[in-house]
Amino acid sequence: QSALTQPASVSGSPGQSITISCTGTSSDVGGYNYVSWYQQHPGKAPKLMIYDVSNRPSGVSNRFSGSKSGNTASLTISGLQAEDEADYYCSSYTSSSTPCVFGGGTKLTVL
Amino acid sequence: QVQLVESGGGVVQPGRSLRLSCAASGFTFSSYGMHWVRQAPGKGLEWVALIWYDGSNKYYADSVKGRFTISRDNSKNTLYLQMNSLRAEDTAVYYCARQGPPDDITILRYFDYWGQGTLVTVSS
Repeated sequence: QSALTQPASVSGSPGQSITISCTGTSSDVGGYNYVSWYQQHPGKAPKLMIYDVSNRPSGVSNRFSGSKSGNTASLTISGLQAEDEADYYCSSYTSSSTPCVFGGGTKLTVL
Repeated sequence: QVQLVESGGGVVQPGRSLRLSCAASGFTFSSYGMHWVRQAPGKGLEWVALIWYDGSNKYYADSVKGRFTISRDNSKNTLYLQMNSLRAEDTAVYYCARQGPPDDITILRYFDYWGQGTLVTVSS
């Protein structure tokens, strides 16, 4: 069981917006603004999409945005495109014995 | 451009050892904390180990503590993971990942670059 809880799957049609949630505790997501999101296509390495809750690295489309409320962080993808179909993982700094925790991952299907 | 290239994976019997390497290029390797993160087949990401930029501190997941050793050679821009007493549950793709940014190693804010991964299969 992963430390952070994500829905197993979400789906949307091209052009629509979807949101993926990531729920933790006050020891991780709720306690720090160090939530990151990673996109992983099949057979490929994860790619950083959002860091520090809502910041986008250079080169990442502005269709991707992040936010946080309490112990839940969210990734929103607007204007869905076929290439967005992938697995998405959230991660957070944690005050526990490990430096970070991951969510179980969410499979995004573009219908 | 930043590149991380893992090697050393393969099929190994339970109880045996394996050493993974991660060759880094395109950045000042000695300035960054480095990690190993693994992904079992069809499963999610699991943090494995961290080594500080100068090798002075190392941290491990409970699942590998006492069996795995992370190390680095900053003169060779290479990260290592020595894996001993391997178990079937260690079967996974192992990724090396760079911690960003370099200015505060004590807080893991994000992994900004990942290698392509190397598959380790533990099976008799």
